[in-house]
Amino acid sequence: GAVVSQHPSWVICKSGTSVKIECRSLDFQATTMFWYRQFPKQSLMLMATSNEGSKATYEQGVEKDKFLINHASLTLSTLTVTSAHPEDSSFYICSAPPGLTVLRDTQYFGPGTRLTVL
Amino acid sequence: GENVEQHPSTLSVQEGDSAVIKCTYSDSASNYFPWYKQELGKRPQLIIDIRSNVGEKKDQRIAVTLNKTAKHFSLHITETQPEDSAVYFCAARSWGGGGADGLTFGKGTHLIIQP
Repeated sequence: GAVVSQHPSWVICKSGTSVKIECRSLDFQATTMFWYRQFPKQSLMLMATSNEGSKATYEQGVEKDKFLINHASLTLSTLTVTSAHPEDSSFYICSAPPGLTVLRDTQYFGPGTRLTVL
Repeated sequence: GENVEQHPSTLSVQEGDSAVIKCTYSDSASNYFPWYKQELGKRPQLIIDIRSNVGEKKDQRIAVTLNKTAKHFSLHITETQPEDSAVYFCAARSWGGGGADGLTFGKGTHLIIQP
């Protein structure tokens, strides 16, 4: 199946700093990638849709100036959490559907990034 | 937007018995319904999915049923094994027409298989 990687797998930072998370599709091209956030013992919540070559689409309630998304190539999307605060501590997971039209429903998830803001 | 309700939140069954998890969705335009299994600290793994033009799909011990009229779908696991213990999420996705859309997830079911 399609492989999606994320880096880093975990990060600890001080309040007020910015953190960049990378999401890569390793064996397929992805014009669209999705960013989700998962708090402990909760479900996954869609934050934004990352579109290669255009602006990201953010879900209601997600601050676009705080969560900067850049989809610079067909295999890489980045999420930058700016001026991070302890309430931003969460598990951030990206996903991507493979490029083939018939399989575009299917989403493969990255391994996630555990962010802890002190 | 789409709203997905999932029940139960916790399900404990004896090894070898069957487990059923149910979900309902609100958006009649939703046309794709995957189920994911997530172990603690790991990524969600797709275990089965169904599209709106199909009523049932089976893959070995796992099956999913879809009732479009009632807007609900269910996951059935037969002959449960200890390794089936995990959190299971249902999800729904509407086809936006312009490309892939993100998934709306249920709150999850913690499945516990008792030996």
